[in-house]
Amino acid sequence: GAGVSQSPRYKVAKRGQDVALRCDPISGHVSLFWYQQALGQGPEFLTYFQNEAQLDKSGLPSDRFFAERPEGSVSTLKIQRTQQEDSAVYLCASSFGLAGGPYEQYFGPGTRLTVT
Amino acid sequence: QKEVEQNSGPLSVPEGAIASLNCTYSDRGSQSFFWYRQYSGKSPELIMFIYSNGDKEDGRFTAQLNKASQYVSLLIRDSQPSDSATYLCAVKRKAAGNKLTFGGGTRVLVKP
Repeated sequence: GAGVSQSPRYKVAKRGQDVALRCDPISGHVSLFWYQQALGQGPEFLTYFQNEAQLDKSGLPSDRFFAERPEGSVSTLKIQRTQQEDSAVYLCASSFGLAGGPYEQYFGPGTRLTVT
Repeated sequence: QKEVEQNSGPLSVPEGAIASLNCTYSDRGSQSFFWYRQYSGKSPELIMFIYSNGDKEDGRFTAQLNKASQYVSLLIRDSQPSDSATYLCAVKRKAAGNKLTFGGGTRVLVKP
């Protein structure tokens, strides 16, 4: 496809369940980002990949959050033992360039996670 | 102090008027500045980016950057009801790698 795709678009999880969110970046895009957006707030950075290397995970809120991009393309964000405060929209973005370059990021539609 | 600050609004603008949105940032090492538009329930969509001091125009949109005063603004000329959305300011700092730091967004309402 032409844009960033994410699945599922909506996920309802009971507190304590594990969830996995998938991101397919734009073909050829080296950089991939995950952001978390709470209702009424701007997106907040979670983690960044350059190809398969996770170069920055400073935004992951706890060790319950884990992200991977094993082949440098598709990425998965996993949240273990979900809590209510994890309820948010999880946005994936991809960018053509490498770290430090002036390359714009293109966002996917997001996954809305609701933890009950 | 938040790294990127925006007035949350709503900014109410009559159709055909100019909407003026402001954004301030705290880190003087910030290098790249982006404006995203986000419709309710949708993902952010890039409108413009600016790297150098001064103005940058693209259609009805003009971005203005003043690094000395640490602010970036977005002007929307001839505002249309379809411009009603939340506008997010984002900043990229070389020291922070490639990540974007977003403001909370300004909600704009264009009234016919």
